Amino acid sequence: VMTQSPAFLSVTPGEKVTITCQASEGIGNYLYWYQQKPDQAPKLLIKYASQSISGVPSRFSGSGSGTDFTFTISSLEAEDAATYYCQQGNKHPSTFGPGTKVDIK
Amino acid sequence: QVQLQESGPGLVKPSETLSLTCAVSGYSISSGYYWGWIRQPPGKGLEWIGSIYHSGSTYYNPSLKSRVTISVDTSKNQFSLKLSSVTAADTAVYYCARVYMVRGGYYFDYWGQGTLVTVSS
Repeated sequence: VMTQSPAFLSVTPGEKVTITCQASEGIGNYLYWYQQKPDQAPKLLIKYASQSISGVPSRFSGSGSGTDFTFTISSLEAEDAATYYCQQGNKHPSTFGPGTKVDIK
Repeated sequence: QVQLQESGPGLVKPSETLSLTCAVSGYSISSGYYWGWIRQPPGKGLEWIGSIYHSGSTYYNPSLKSRVTISVDTSKNQFSLKLSSVTAADTAVYYCARVYMVRGGYYFDYWGQGTLVTVSS
């Protein structure tokens, strides 16, 4: 089971955003982060907890291992309004966190 | 560039079978990777349904395993989902995706745009 917090954030552009994801058991670094904008498919942002994806802005980063993970947007931009999901791919079945909706103030 | 496109009926009656197909372009399914289905009920989170390799090897979510069949047609470069005995709880946007699987874990690197399937009489 994956838990995420907070469920909702309202943030001013330029501010830092931090989202946490916790696994109910250790998953190593098999933790991935996705961004989903309204009426769009999820988009992979971070793989293996902290590895960047080609083409994804460097303001997006991740850290953690085992059961506790953190996703950070260093300086929020208006286009970052979306819901962010973590996903574990180590234990069967693969599961997603409930999501964190990030709103722009 | 890998592209995926879901297709199938947008409305299915309760107790019937939901059938969707995912056409892949820009990559040959026969070349490798697993290919999967994920769904998202309106306003809710994401649920992995299952995945298939080009050889036909499958993994299913235990919560749906008794009702799910995923198959692959390498000649058409597509894979399909069948979900039987559907109820309103199966109403969701269904996504197909490429699964990047290595020893230890997997993630979804390319996604289709999704297709809404409503279960209603």
